[in-house]
Amino acid sequence: AQRVTQPEKLLSVFKGAPVELKCNYSYSGSPELFWYVQYSRQRLQLLLRHISRESIKGFTADLNKGETSFHLKKPFAQEEDSAMYYCALSRVNGNTGKLIFGQGTTLQVKP
Amino acid sequence: DTGVSQDPRHKITKRGQNVTFRCDPISEHNRLYWYRQTLGQGPEFLTYFQNEAQLEKSRLLSDRFSAERPKGSFSTLEIQRTEQGDSAMYLCASSLSQAGGTQYFGPGTRLLVL
Repeated sequence: AQRVTQPEKLLSVFKGAPVELKCNYSYSGSPELFWYVQYSRQRLQLLLRHISRESIKGFTADLNKGETSFHLKKPFAQEEDSAMYYCALSRVNGNTGKLIFGQGTTLQVKP
Repeated sequence: DTGVSQDPRHKITKRGQNVTFRCDPISEHNRLYWYRQTLGQGPEFLTYFQNEAQLEKSRLLSDRFSAERPKGSFSTLEIQRTEQGDSAMYLCASSLSQAGGTQYFGPGTRLLVL
């Protein structure tokens, strides 16, 4: 079965501390992994995707196929990073591109 | 704002009533998706259109749900005989059909069934 698991509902850190939001997946084919973010009172938006291998707003994520993980990391959290983060997957070169989301993790960055 | 728009933003209805939601995608996007999100959960895929063709429907989409995209532009999602369990945020997203096209989400329609 296709599944995305985000084990933490809430992650609370102080400003300047490192952040790691965990994401594990199960998928029988070749997945494409994404992180979406939703800031307060804003719509869901793409943060980054594994095929781009880029850093957005200081966040990075590496796909680890052996551990079936795609954890989101940032070395120094900022207060403006406080948001809901969703890990999602779709099938590489899939016909539909439909996304399968995890339950989400709320990141709270305290001053 | 040229992003994905949804109407209405909020809907309160009584159990048993029919409701219809509208989604206007980004104009050049030929793919359109509907998702449902309940409290504390991530969005769940409901259905997908490429142009006017509905190409996939989730098992979550019961017979009371129907979606259309008649001219390959805007889409409607209708729920007939609403139930309290239909209360959720209904999200629409659109993308280009190229492999890996980024999905852009609308603000959602929040439905409350009393």
